[in-house]
Amino acid sequence: EAQVTQNPRYLITVTGKKLTVTCSQNMNHEYMSWYRQDPGLGLRQIYYSMNVEVTDKGDVPEGYKVSRKEKRNFPLILESPSPNQTSLYFCASGTSGAYNEQFFGPGTRLTVL
Amino acid sequence: SQQGEEDPQALSIQEGENATMNCSYKTSINNLQWYRQNSGRGLVHLILIRSNEREKHSGRLRVTLDTSKKSSSLLITASRAADTASYFCATGGPGAGSYQLTFGKGTKLSVIP
Repeated sequence: EAQVTQNPRYLITVTGKKLTVTCSQNMNHEYMSWYRQDPGLGLRQIYYSMNVEVTDKGDVPEGYKVSRKEKRNFPLILESPSPNQTSLYFCASGTSGAYNEQFFGPGTRLTVL
Repeated sequence: SQQGEEDPQALSIQEGENATMNCSYKTSINNLQWYRQNSGRGLVHLILIRSNEREKHSGRLRVTLDTSKKSSSLLITASRAADTASYFCATGGPGAGSYQLTFGKGTKLSVIP
């Protein structure tokens, strides 16, 4: 089944404790992206990747890191999480063409205490 | 960056009625997409309309695009309780940025059985 998977689905952590949210897709998509969703603010893009070893900042990259060493994986790293990073996070993937329908993962609900 | 703004923010209708949601954006686009999100879950792509298209249909969905007014509408006909969800428009810019999508804040649709 074609899908985007994220792990963990739920995470409660404390300020400053490094964490990684994994994202994997099995559709051979070149493009992958991370979004965060907050009430009243909609979806905002954090980082995206056009292909292996190619990443770029989205609208809200501060406090986050990403890497794209393999085509299928695009982990999101929070080196020192803070409470304002409490949010619902979505990974998405798509082809790199001009008309890019994106496929979303199920989401990771992160709470930073 | 360009951003779609949906209107209304919330909509409540009876089952069987039609639901219309609108999206406005600010700058030139390559395409506009509509996504659906069931509560707290990942977004699901519904339909994509290119900037040179004016109307598109998919099942009970009808999307229109007016690039002169920088607006789009999503019509769901003969709504069902299962259509209850949030609906987001997303715009893709021209040129190299066309694979990037910028999402609006969504319209929350409630269909009452």
